[in-house]
Amino acid sequence: QSVLTQPPSASGTPGQRVTISCSGSSSNIGSNTVNWYQYLPRTAPKLLIYSNNQRPSGVPDRFSGSKSGTSASLAISGLQSEDEADYYCAAWDDSLNGGVFGGGTKLTVL
Amino acid sequence: EVQLLQSGGGLVQPGGSLRLSCAASGFIFSNYGMTWVRQAPGKGLEWVSAINGGGGSTYYADSVKGRFTISRDNSNTLYLQMNSLRAEDTAIYYCAKVHSGWYTSFDYWGQGTLVTVSS
Repeated sequence: QSVLTQPPSASGTPGQRVTISCSGSSSNIGSNTVNWYQYLPRTAPKLLIYSNNQRPSGVPDRFSGSKSGTSASLAISGLQSEDEADYYCAAWDDSLNGGVFGGGTKLTVL
Repeated sequence: EVQLLQSGGGLVQPGGSLRLSCAASGFIFSNYGMTWVRQAPGKGLEWVSAINGGGGSTYYADSVKGRFTISRDNSNTLYLQMNSLRAEDTAIYYCAKVHSGWYTSFDYWGQGTLVTVSS
């Protein structure tokens, strides 16, 4: 059971907008910033969003992040087939004094 | 160009030890925290350990605390010493460079190395 809770799956059709949620608590999301990763198995994870809503250079603006209280969301607009991947949220947890990942959400582009 | 080149994985028996290495280049190594993240078969990403740029502060997941040791040296290399290995430590291990803030924002990753704990 992951400290951060994500839906196991999400789906959308090309061009649609999808959102993936990440729920935590006061010791992690409630007091620290959230980061999002795109992961294809056996490849290195890719940082999509850092500090809740910042995009690293090279990440398309179709990807956006937000945070409110103890929850965060990743939104992908203009869905493309290459967006089919696993998505993970991550945050520092003050109680654990360590990092935590969500359980991951498998995004399917129909 | 930032590069993280990993080595040291393999097959080890339960209770055994293994040391992973991550050779960094293309950035001022001592200016950045580093971390290890793993993915067990069929499971999600798991944060394992982190170390600050100077090497004086280290952090561990409860699942590895007391068994794993993270370290770094002046040759721009990050290490993960893994002792008392268990079957549940079987995973692909990634080293990663901290991008910003606390140790959960990583912008460059190693290629991953497989650790298999089995008799």
